[in-house]
Amino acid sequence: GENVEQHPSTLSVQEGDSAVIKCTYSDSASNYFPWYKQELGKGPQLIIDIRSNVGEKKDQRIAVTLNKTAKHFSLHITETQPEDSAVYFCAGLSSGGSYIPTFGRGTSLIVHP
Amino acid sequence: EPEVTQTPSHQVTQMGQEVILRCVPISNHLYFYWYRQILGQKVEFLVSFYNNEISEKSEIFDDQFSVERPDGSNFTLKIRSTKLEDSAMYFCASSSNTVNTEAFFGQGTRLTVV
Repeated sequence: GENVEQHPSTLSVQEGDSAVIKCTYSDSASNYFPWYKQELGKGPQLIIDIRSNVGEKKDQRIAVTLNKTAKHFSLHITETQPEDSAVYFCAGLSSGGSYIPTFGRGTSLIVHP
Repeated sequence: EPEVTQTPSHQVTQMGQEVILRCVPISNHLYFYWYRQILGQKVEFLVSFYNNEISEKSEIFDDQFSVERPDGSNFTLKIRSTKLEDSAMYFCASSSNTVNTEAFFGQGTRLTVV
């Protein structure tokens, strides 16, 4: 099955700085990679996703890159704001099954004002 | 905006007791899921449900667990004879389609087994 590794476990930045979270996956058949943001006391919410037929996707201050050869993908947040503070999870999903993403362990992002 | 709702938000139960966690998925969604998140750990898949039957389940989802959709709107997770290690956040999710589409998560039920 799929195995997703996520780094770092904790990331502390100053407001305005950029933040990068990296994930690697093991299953070369995986073709869909969502990123979730989980705020305290809430369930995970999808913030951006990328499919294996593209290398990069951007949505305002958030971007995701995918390197299929190296089997890794990254989340980039620019101009961080205190409200970006949350736990971020990457996930991988293989093409053969139903929507059962394998989650990374999560990154706790802390943005200091 | 439609959302997945879960009740209760927090459940405390004695070890060995049965608990039922409730979820109301988004109304036009067809696929339903339960996930578990032990404190400080990753979100883990438990079970998926479609067309009134389990479509997939993980190793965690043993005979202690069951799911049902009793009335066409609620989706429940039952844990029989709870153990201390069942203490976790339980998330319900639903999606309109399985193929590379977003699953919407509820806010979770925190289960504490004492």
